Amino acid sequence: KAGVTQTPRYLIKTRGQQVTLSCSPISGHRSVSWYQQTPGQGLQFLFEYFSETQRNKGNFPGRFSGRQFSNSRSEMNVSTLELGDSALYLCASSLGPGTANTGELFFGEGSRLTVL
Amino acid sequence: AQSVTQLDSHVSVSEGTPVLLRCNYSSSYSPSLFWYVQHPNKGLQLLLKYTSAATLVKGINGFEAEFKKSETSFHLTKPSAHMSDAAEYFCVVSGRTGGSYIPTFGRGTSLIVHP
Repeated sequence: KAGVTQTPRYLIKTRGQQVTLSCSPISGHRSVSWYQQTPGQGLQFLFEYFSETQRNKGNFPGRFSGRQFSNSRSEMNVSTLELGDSALYLCASSLGPGTANTGELFFGEGSRLTVL
Repeated sequence: AQSVTQLDSHVSVSEGTPVLLRCNYSSSYSPSLFWYVQHPNKGLQLLLKYTSAATLVKGINGFEAEFKKSETSFHLTKPSAHMSDAAEYFCVVSGRTGGSYIPTFGRGTSLIVHP
């Protein structure tokens, strides 16, 4: 069974630009969540999508957005990039709401964004 | 509200000696608790999880953790460290919100294993 796939793995942008990151979940998983990992703030929850709907959102500015497609693949977008947006962005998939869901997350290897 | 505190930012052990990574949590309800491991430039991998069944949970690679409600702790242990265990370890508390689980991550503990 293929794992969670994130693309691109590495990217460099300049301040003011925007970026789109992609995440393909494990087959059969309908929930996708996104996290930002930095040395200063650690791992922080960005948002979660299920059935193409954002169900929960972390404490991030509106420059951070996402969406989910009917095949459960998800994208996140960061507009007007700032230096502080440099981070490893991790995507995780899970079964989604239901009794079978115990909260276990399956992570991709991340997209490392550097903003110059 | 929920929170998690990993009591040590770094733990250094010699190969073959026991490992103890400490985690305390706070939650308004009965949470699920997890330990994940992250190797350099990789995503997080689940080591083990507690979901209100047995309080002593066994995971992969010889790791185990004990849920102690009275102490609000979920410490991770391994009897004998291996060089390949060197990595960052995250304790996670996760509560159900509207059918979804929202995780809160600890700041991580870096495990260093000396030969």
